[in-house]
Amino acid sequence: ETGVTQTPRHLVMGMTNKKSLKCEQHLGHNAMYWYKQSAKKPLELMFVYNFKEQTENNSVPSRFSPECPNSSHLFLHLHTLQPEDSALYLCASSQDFANEQFFGPGTRLTVL
Amino acid sequence: GENVEQHPSTLSVQEGDSAVIKCTYSDSASNYFPWYKQELGKGPQLIIDIRSNVGEKKDQRIAVTLNKTAKHFSLHITETQPEDSAVYFCAGTPDSGGGADGLTFGKGTHLIIQP
Repeated sequence: ETGVTQTPRHLVMGMTNKKSLKCEQHLGHNAMYWYKQSAKKPLELMFVYNFKEQTENNSVPSRFSPECPNSSHLFLHLHTLQPEDSALYLCASSQDFANEQFFGPGTRLTVL
Repeated sequence: GENVEQHPSTLSVQEGDSAVIKCTYSDSASNYFPWYKQELGKGPQLIIDIRSNVGEKKDQRIAVTLNKTAKHFSLHITETQPEDSAVYFCAGTPDSGGGADGLTFGKGTHLIIQP
């Protein structure tokens, strides 16, 4: 295992639901990331946190809301999603921005 | 921003043969290029990486080459084995030493090793 865990592994939700994805890293890293992986598209960087501070938001719709309470935990709060938001959501961490990123197994999200 | 193109999207080779996957990038400031392998049901895992001050790097059956002038880099897998079957992603990022660019990924190559 990579030292990055994600829960839940699978999530099915309706468009009016509110849910949260959780990521935890046990590597003592300072940076954490959320990526979206859709079929036949490159992994898309969504959010970046460094020392709990958000440093990047790649024009992600406001229905996705990240939270980083400490350098080991990262959340992605979801509300009023659309079916096109169905994808694999991957969390990653790295010691700093110049080094290897370690990925979690992802949460497979289906929006009905 | 950075744009990474990856080819081919699918590659089928006979077990024991070599496989080559190629990527190009657009941002001349990019200087860190990792390769990730993603197996079914798992997140991507780093298999090898290269920085722009090096032209080639090798780790057992896996090697990566980088041509900064042409802005392309390649993954070479020799003596392929069934367990090499997976999706491989290239990526690039500027090593801005404190920046927050994350990684820009290619679309991935589905490598199939035929027995």
